[in-house]
Amino acid sequence: DAGITQSPRHKVTETGTPVTLRCHQTENHRYMYWYRQDPGHGLRLIHYSYGVKDTDKGEVSDGYSVSRSKTEDFLLTLESATSSQTSVYFCATRPGSNSPLHFGNGTRLTVT
Amino acid sequence: AQSVTQLGSHVSVSEGALVLLRCNYSSSVPPYLFWYVQYPNQGLQLLLKYTTGATLVKGINGFEAEFKKSETSFHLTKPSAHMSDAAEYFCAVSDLVGGNTDKLIFGTGTRLQVFP
Repeated sequence: DAGITQSPRHKVTETGTPVTLRCHQTENHRYMYWYRQDPGHGLRLIHYSYGVKDTDKGEVSDGYSVSRSKTEDFLLTLESATSSQTSVYFCATRPGSNSPLHFGNGTRLTVT
Repeated sequence: AQSVTQLGSHVSVSEGALVLLRCNYSSSVPPYLFWYVQYPNQGLQLLLKYTTGATLVKGINGFEAEFKKSETSFHLTKPSAHMSDAAEYFCAVSDLVGGNTDKLIFGTGTRLQVFP
C-alpha cells in the first residue's frame, strides 16, 4: 500500500547489538511513522517525521533513534538492542496530517 | 494527550449476526477518527474515517461507524458478519491537543472471531 517497503521483513539479533530497520516509500508522502505492535498494547508510536530532517518522539521512544535524510526513506535504529524490543515494527506514511495512514507489511524483530 | 479505549479485546459472533466493536476517545475537542483492520501477518488497512461533516460514516466491506460527540464514541458496526471479517480491528484518533494533528494514537485492538 502506498508503495511502502520495509526491510528486512524478519531479523533475529543478539542483545546489545545495533539494529537498523528501513522504510522506503514511493508516494512522496510528507509524514512517516514508526510503530511497534505488541500483544495487549496495540500499536504504539515510537517516532515520526513531518519532513526531511524533521522528526519527533512518540510515546515509546526510549532506546530508539530515527533519521530521515530523504523524503522516501525513514530509518529506525536500535543502538543496543534489548529483549524488550522484540516486537513487530510497522512503518506508515501519509500525505497530510488529516489523511489516513498507509502501512507497510511490518518487520518482525527478535532480540535473543 | 488523546487516549483511545477499545472495550473488549475479543469479540465472537455467529456468521450473519450483528458486529459491534466499541471505541471511546478521551478528548473534549472533536478529533479525527479512524478504524483499521489487520489480517494475519499483514499491515493495517483503512476501513473508514471521520474528519468533519456527516457523523455516520460508511466504509469498506459493509462496515460503518457513528461519531457521537456527547458519548465521545466511534463504535464500528456491520449488520451481518461474514467469515472473512475475522481479523483484528483498531480504532485510532488524531491527537488534536495543542493544535498538533501529526500523531495518530491507536487503541489496543479487538480481535473479531466469526463462527459458522
